[in-house]
Amino acid sequence: AQSVTQLGSHVSVSEGALVLLRCNYSSSVPPYLFWYVQYPNQGLQLLLKYTTGATLVKGINGFEAEFKKSETSFHLTKPSAHMSDAAEYFCAVSDMDSSYKLIFGSGTRLLVRP
Amino acid sequence: DTAVSQTPKYLVTQMGNDKSIKCEQNLGHDTMYWYKQDSKKFLKIMFSYNNKELIINETVPNRFSPKSPDKAHLNLHINSLELGDSAVYFCASSLGPAGSDTQYFGPGTRLTVL
Repeated sequence: AQSVTQLGSHVSVSEGALVLLRCNYSSSVPPYLFWYVQYPNQGLQLLLKYTTGATLVKGINGFEAEFKKSETSFHLTKPSAHMSDAAEYFCAVSDMDSSYKLIFGSGTRLLVRP
Repeated sequence: DTAVSQTPKYLVTQMGNDKSIKCEQNLGHDTMYWYKQDSKKFLKIMFSYNNKELIINETVPNRFSPKSPDKAHLNLHINSLELGDSAVYFCASSLGPAGSDTQYFGPGTRLTVL
């Protein structure tokens, strides 16, 4: 069955530091991969997605992620954290085996220290 | 203009009651979804409709009944509410049911069952 593992339920960085949020997925067929962000008391907003083509995907707010098939990973990075990046981040996968249902990871809370 | 809207935003009710949550999207999308987010922030799909037809029906108690009167609306009715139904319910929509289509989420409805 498809699954998504997000390492670290909480990640804390200093403002201006590199942000790295980890996501590993299990899928036996080509996956579609997504990162969503949820600000407090709000719905989810798409940051970026990988469908086909270039494995390095750029998203909104300076975030990017790289699809690495050999590592079954889709880690999210941002070179320099901003206070406004503090939020919950969800990695998600969909593929043919899951009937293209979106399967979410358990989320990572990003804390940004001044 | 709000793309995906839900009403009400908060819902507090007693066990055993029946309640409904409404969702509307003005994006012209064909596919709509209901998700449940539990207290640990875990998100799971419940239902999906494509052009008013049910296409995803997860293992959800039959006390939950979705209804799609037209492509732009997807309502969720819950009978005989239980304590375990307390959660945040999100509506979402996408252009179509393809796994690569971005899902746009509403702001959520926080349901508290006392």
